[in-house]
Amino acid sequence: RKEVEQDPGPFNVPEGATVAFNCTYSNSASQSFFWYRQDCRKEPKLLMSVYSSGNEDGRFTAQLNRASQYISLLIRDSKLSDSATYLCVVNPGGRRALTFGSGTRLQVQP
Amino acid sequence: EAGVTQFPSHSVIEKGQTVTLRCDPISGHDNLYWYRRVMGKEIKFLLHFVKESKQDESGMPNNRFLAERTGGTYSTLKVQPAELEDSGVYFCASSQSASGLYEQYFGPGTRLTVT
Repeated sequence: RKEVEQDPGPFNVPEGATVAFNCTYSNSASQSFFWYRQDCRKEPKLLMSVYSSGNEDGRFTAQLNRASQYISLLIRDSKLSDSATYLCVVNPGGRRALTFGSGTRLQVQP
Repeated sequence: EAGVTQFPSHSVIEKGQTVTLRCDPISGHDNLYWYRRVMGKEIKFLLHFVKESKQDESGMPNNRFLAERTGGTYSTLKVQPAELEDSGVYFCASSQSASGLYEQYFGPGTRLTVT
């Protein structure tokens, strides 16, 4: 079983749609959680950290459920520029190394 | 502020040759990390420096890989001798010491092809 599991997609959605990605992690001692965005042949870029209370940054909302070991990302009013691969990333407790999911591909269509 | 930089952006070498990758972290970031993505797989951790010290090298695949960070600034990752399975994209990342959330910022990567 992978440490971080994501649906690979692709998710094909029209502009303006709301789309949600989910992610599960296996290490219950994980302490920090992130969503990174990766464009084709580019480096991962930090989109947002995920807090236990949930957090929002503009059109993006992240939620964490520690009991279920589940993380989500909601994108509202999708833009063409949101097309990318979204990586669920977890920091296992006691180490700074990040554990990556394989990513969920989003394609926003006009 | 300049981001993490890596050199070269691409490298094509033959099996058995040596390649050295370089990473310059964001200024002031004591933590430096190497990661690798091989074709079709997720990004995997290789090792972590705090200043010039190796904090965690549990992800290094074998002793053909040698990482250094002399002086605690830039880092190099040498692969000697390279094998076909070493092909992939090597990312470097850095973070601040005081970052409790361990947010890491990635460089553009070096795409290594071993033929």
